Amino acid sequence: LAKTTQPISMDSYEGQEVNITCSHNNIATNDYITWYQQFPSQGPRFIIQGYKTKVTNEVASLFIPADRKSSTLSLPRVSLSDTAVYYCLVGGSLSGGYQKVTFGTGTKLQVIP
Amino acid sequence: KAGVTQTPRYLIKTRGQQVTLSCSPISGHRSVSWYQQTPGQGLQFLFEYFSETQRNKGNFPGRFSGRQFSNSRSEMNVSTLELGDSALYLCASSLASGQGVAETQYFGPGTRLLVL
Repeated sequence: LAKTTQPISMDSYEGQEVNITCSHNNIATNDYITWYQQFPSQGPRFIIQGYKTKVTNEVASLFIPADRKSSTLSLPRVSLSDTAVYYCLVGGSLSGGYQKVTFGTGTKLQVIP
Repeated sequence: KAGVTQTPRYLIKTRGQQVTLSCSPISGHRSVSWYQQTPGQGLQFLFEYFSETQRNKGNFPGRFSGRQFSNSRSEMNVSTLELGDSALYLCASSLASGQGVAETQYFGPGTRLLVL
């Protein structure tokens, strides 16, 4: 299983763009990169997933360089409600089987008014 | 479509007792995974069930067990509870389409277990 490394915490002012980088040096060829968001006392919520280059959805963008050894979650114009813990996961399915994933320590994002 | 539901939401037990937690996955989802979350250890994978079979298991003692029913609902059991078992237990379901793509997991709200 690929091990991920993220900053423990980050602070940002409302309205700013926030970039959270995750390092995953031993990512495997079939691994995807997935980000989850978790609010206190709730289950994690899927944000975005990608394999390479750039992926964008209505809430975030995910940038993955060519070597795939890192990835960056970009949250545009954050608001107070974006204060949460963000987890980066690396993993994938092999031949239809489910590969157990390991959540890292996550990045606690604090948005300041 | 209804999300993942977990019951009960809160539970208080004493040391030595056993507990059973229930999880109903999203309709059509065939894989159910269980996680334990504590402030000190973070989110830790317990096990995953698919088609009523345990397909993967994390590094937890045998006191932690689970099962999955034919309708994909899953239960998790912890026997001989210890103080350190106090945690938020999360259940997640995924489609398990078997197409070789990383499966997005949909988490329930969790069951908060307090062992006294």
